[in-house]
Amino acid sequence: RKEVEQDPGPFNVPEGATVAFNCTYSNSASQSFFWYRQDCRKEPKLLMSVYSSGNEDGRFTAQLNRASQYISLLIRDSKLSDSATYLCVVNEGYSTLTFGKGTMLLVSP
Amino acid sequence: NAGVTQTPKFRILKIGQSMTLQCTQDMNHNYMYWYRQDPGMGLKLIYYSVGAGITDKGEVPNGYNVSRSTTEDFPLRLELAAPSQTSVYFCASSEQGTHYGYTFGSGTRLTVV
Repeated sequence: RKEVEQDPGPFNVPEGATVAFNCTYSNSASQSFFWYRQDCRKEPKLLMSVYSSGNEDGRFTAQLNRASQYISLLIRDSKLSDSATYLCVVNEGYSTLTFGKGTMLLVSP
Repeated sequence: NAGVTQTPKFRILKIGQSMTLQCTQDMNHNYMYWYRQDPGMGLKLIYYSVGAGITDKGEVPNGYNVSRSTTEDFPLRLELAAPSQTSVYFCASSEQGTHYGYTFGSGTRLTVV
């Protein structure tokens, strides 16, 4: 059974902190990688795709290590509004995605 | 832009009752999915469809049925509801399989008592 494993949470950080989430996946044939954000009692929303070369979107940086089957998400200068659960997501084939259980982030004043 | 619309948002069912969770999308996406999410757990794939007239089982299909008669609609049917089906159900769609990720509906919270 193919799995996506994430750091257990919650992560409690003060505003302005840098926080990193890690994720490992078991399917070496996976080609698509994402980080989703899920607010409490809401649907998951795409935060960013993860590319082999790494990618950055403002305060968010995602990296992929195919050899180690490892994905990371770095959030710099954390804001209160970053408090949410972050889901690591990997494709199982062309048609379906597998979701990790998520890591909860709590940013405090 | 409506995106993916799910109805109802909340429902309480008695054991043994049946219901249909509705999902419709207006983005002309071929791929549609049903997931369930239990507290503290990841999303589990129930069924998916790669186009009208085509459906396939996911990881946890038992107790559910789907149909895909049009590109827009992908209803999920629960027959003989059981307490184990208490969950939050999310419908999602995508343009080209997994390459661009999914767009999710806002979910249906179902309680079976």
